[in-house]
Amino acid sequence: DAMVIQNPRYQVTQFGKPVTLSCSQTLNHNVMYWYQQKSSQAPKLLFHYYDKDFNNEADTPDNFQSRRPNTSFCFLDIRSPGLGDAAMYLCATNEIDRANQPQHFGDGTRLSIL
Amino acid sequence: AQSVTQLDSHVSVSEGTPVLLRCNYSSSYSPSLFWYVQHPNKGLQLLLKYTSAATLVKGINGFEAEFKKSETSFHLTKPSAHMSDAAEYFCVVIGFSGTYKYIFGTGTRLKVLA
Repeated sequence: DAMVIQNPRYQVTQFGKPVTLSCSQTLNHNVMYWYQQKSSQAPKLLFHYYDKDFNNEADTPDNFQSRRPNTSFCFLDIRSPGLGDAAMYLCATNEIDRANQPQHFGDGTRLSIL
Repeated sequence: AQSVTQLDSHVSVSEGTPVLLRCNYSSSYSPSLFWYVQHPNKGLQLLLKYTSAATLVKGINGFEAEFKKSETSFHLTKPSAHMSDAAEYFCVVIGFSGTYKYIFGTGTRLKVLA
């Protein structure tokens, strides 16, 4: 089945130690998104790629970076994780940037900070 | 600007009874609306979408929603709740600010009692 796969499902890192989360998709979608979701809250968009064009949200901290080396893969890098970065990180894809297209989500990576 | 309001943060129903999750939207143009479900430690799964076609939208797992322009509502219903329906539900409207983005409601946690 075509899908969005996030690895790992659970990640533990130390305060200040860089961490990378990965997302891959077999849908061949043009758009890939990264969301941060804290407990009992809605997902919050961090940034997205339209093909290779990177679009950062204005309030995304500089500590968060992303790479998309090809259509299938997208990475979220947290350069110096703080305790406040503990959250579920969700990757999503969309075929095209249109109003009526739904996003397809992976199962997320739950990040814990020690 | 587009927005959604989920009127109930928590809803409890008994197994086998109807489910009603309420969502009101605000949009300056004809909206695209979605309902997603999120089970614990999982990603968001699309239940159904409204994109200016039929006002009564049928989704997966027996869920449906009715778009009512006069009431600016898009409530989610199911005739008979199942234990497996216990989850968080998000109503989403598409917003546009240079690119199309999801605007999430705050979520409704559905509890199903045996």
